[in-house]
Amino acid sequence: GQNIDQPTEMTATEGAIVQINCTYQTSGFNGLFWYQQHAGEAPTFLSYNVLDGLEEKGRFSSFLSRSKGYSYLLLKELQMKDSASYLCAVREVGKLIFGTGTRLQVFP
Amino acid sequence: DAGVIQSPRHEVTEMGQEVTLRCKPISGHDYLFWYRQTMMRGLELLIYFNNNVPIDDSGMPEDRFSAKMPNASFSTLKIQPSEPRDSAVYFCASSSGGHSYNSPLHFGNGTRLTVT
Repeated sequence: GQNIDQPTEMTATEGAIVQINCTYQTSGFNGLFWYQQHAGEAPTFLSYNVLDGLEEKGRFSSFLSRSKGYSYLLLKELQMKDSASYLCAVREVGKLIFGTGTRLQVFP
Repeated sequence: DAGVIQSPRHEVTEMGQEVTLRCKPISGHDYLFWYRQTMMRGLELLIYFNNNVPIDDSGMPEDRFSAKMPNASFSTLKIQPSEPRDSAVYFCASSSGGHSYNSPLHFGNGTRLTVT
């Protein structure tokens, strides 16, 4: 079966660092994606990992450990505009399966 | 590129009516996906196509739901008859790929469906 787990909600302060974790159990694995979704909008692509290790892209970094079925998204220098839901998704061959998402609220 | 285009943006209908949602993928993309999003269940994959052929429809809730992709630039998701529990935001997404699965999905703005 498929199971992708993320915390439901997180809060953080502007300027801080936050780590959003994702664990997964899927029958296939062709990579892990992170998406950002602001309220009332469509999800937008943030990052992709297929090999173990850290991928850095500006203020956002994503880490993958395939043996542990674990990933995290690291957001640095948080800004108010980072308040959004963050969705972890696993690609199984052609299809992309999403977790239920983590709602992040950034406070001044 | 205009991105993935969905219509309508909002649909309000009465229980029992037929609903048709439309999607135009990004030109050149060979994968097309239909998702449904609710607060309780998050983003659920309903069906996806590769080169206009349905590959996996195991997420389609029941026979009331059907999807077609008559050509590379158009897809529809139909619900007949609609029920209040179908109320959700329906997203269409497309990606390029071939045998490379690192291409991200690009989402349309979604159709917010309300069935009363």
